[in-house]
Amino acid sequence: DGGITQSPKYLFRKEGQNVTLSCEQNLNHDAMYWYRQDPGQGLRLIYYSQIVNDFQKGDIAEGYSVSREKKESFPLTVTSAQKNPTAFYLCASSDTGNTEAFFGQGTRLTVV
Amino acid sequence: AQSVSQHNHHVILSEAASLELGCNYSYGGTVNLFWYVQYPGQHLQLLLKYFSGDPLVKGIKGFEAEFIKSKFSFNLRKPSVQWSDTAEYFCAAGGSYIPTFGRGTSLIVHP
Repeated sequence: DGGITQSPKYLFRKEGQNVTLSCEQNLNHDAMYWYRQDPGQGLRLIYYSQIVNDFQKGDIAEGYSVSREKKESFPLTVTSAQKNPTAFYLCASSDTGNTEAFFGQGTRLTVV
Repeated sequence: AQSVSQHNHHVILSEAASLELGCNYSYGGTVNLFWYVQYPGQHLQLLLKYFSGDPLVKGIKGFEAEFIKSKFSFNLRKPSVQWSDTAEYFCAAGGSYIPTFGRGTSLIVHP
């Protein structure tokens, strides 16, 4: 089945530790995105990538980093510099920004 | 910069009631518009989309939306909601490589 796979579904980390969230797609999409979803705030864009080896900051990139070494993979690292990392993280992909975005199931990160 | 505003953050309805969720966008240039739905415990999925043509767009599960260019609006409607429509609904605008989402509307339908 084609789609986007995020792993893990739930993640717990101690404060001060970096953590990497995985996102893989087999839809052959050029563009990939990371969003953060908080109650009442909708989806806020963290980073996006339009092509391999290139990515851009979104609205709330501070404390996060990404890489795009392969077309199908776009991992997100939540660093210790992120002041409020506990959230639900969504990865998405699309052919371009003009077309439908396909979403993964999300990763719920809890930092204790 | 593009932006999307959703007017209703929480909506509570009884089954068979009619639904209208407001969405306004701000965008300089050609815009494509979307409504996504997130059922409890599930991933976001597309309800419907507007690219061009007939401004009244029909989507899955009886939903429809009307694009009114003069009002910069793309409101979502359903004549008669069901309990299974309980979900969070997001309006989104695209036209570059960066889809922009509204804050979402939480809909609860009582049986």
